Amino acid sequence: GPKVLQIPSHQIIDMGQMVTLNCDPVSNHLYFYWYKQILGQQMEFLVNFYNGKVMEKSKLFKDQFSVERPDGSYFTLKIQPTALEDSAVYFCASSLGQSGAETLYFGSGTRLTVL
Amino acid sequence: GEQVEQRPPHLSVREGDSAFITCTYTDPNSYYFFWYKQEPGASLQLLMKVFSSTEINEGQGFTVLLNKKDKRLSLNLTAAHPGDSAAYFCAVSALSGSFNKLTFGAGTRLAVCP
Repeated sequence: GPKVLQIPSHQIIDMGQMVTLNCDPVSNHLYFYWYKQILGQQMEFLVNFYNGKVMEKSKLFKDQFSVERPDGSYFTLKIQPTALEDSAVYFCASSLGQSGAETLYFGSGTRLTVL
Repeated sequence: GEQVEQRPPHLSVREGDSAFITCTYTDPNSYYFFWYKQEPGASLQLLMKVFSSTEINEGQGFTVLLNKKDKRLSLNLTAAHPGDSAAYFCAVSALSGSFNKLTFGAGTRLAVCP
């Protein structure tokens, strides 16, 4: 089936540094998402992105977060500066359409550890 | 906003037994329901997508039940085998709303012992 690739699978950085998480979505998909999962808790919606713009974001999407997909390349989540509470697994997803019926295809996640 | 509670968080069954996982949700406007399976180190794989009009949904080796009155979504793995060992997540989406935003349960870690 369709694959979403996330690079890297693990990232360890010092608090205050910048980190960029990369996602290669399904090739013909138009809508892109980031979800955050703290260990042992549920995945929570961060942001969705379409046509070069953030369409909706949650309270978890702090000012230090930004997303972009320059020239149809990777869909990225940048955190600058990082904080200890940003340690989590970040899942990227993509979908063809935007309705509630659309299936989201997920990557395997990037485990971010902020020291 | 929508809240989804998933039970149990951990489940261990013997090979050949059934495994039953339940999610309850709060938003009566919820209309689309999803079950995902995640094996260790892998991405979430869609098991089944259910629309609110269908109460019983049969898959390969499992059944998904939807009870809209009780706002409950269930996954029943019949005759589980070791390959079913994984984390299972339910997710809920509303019919209306500007953009697709899934609300997930916290997951159930299923272990199927030979």
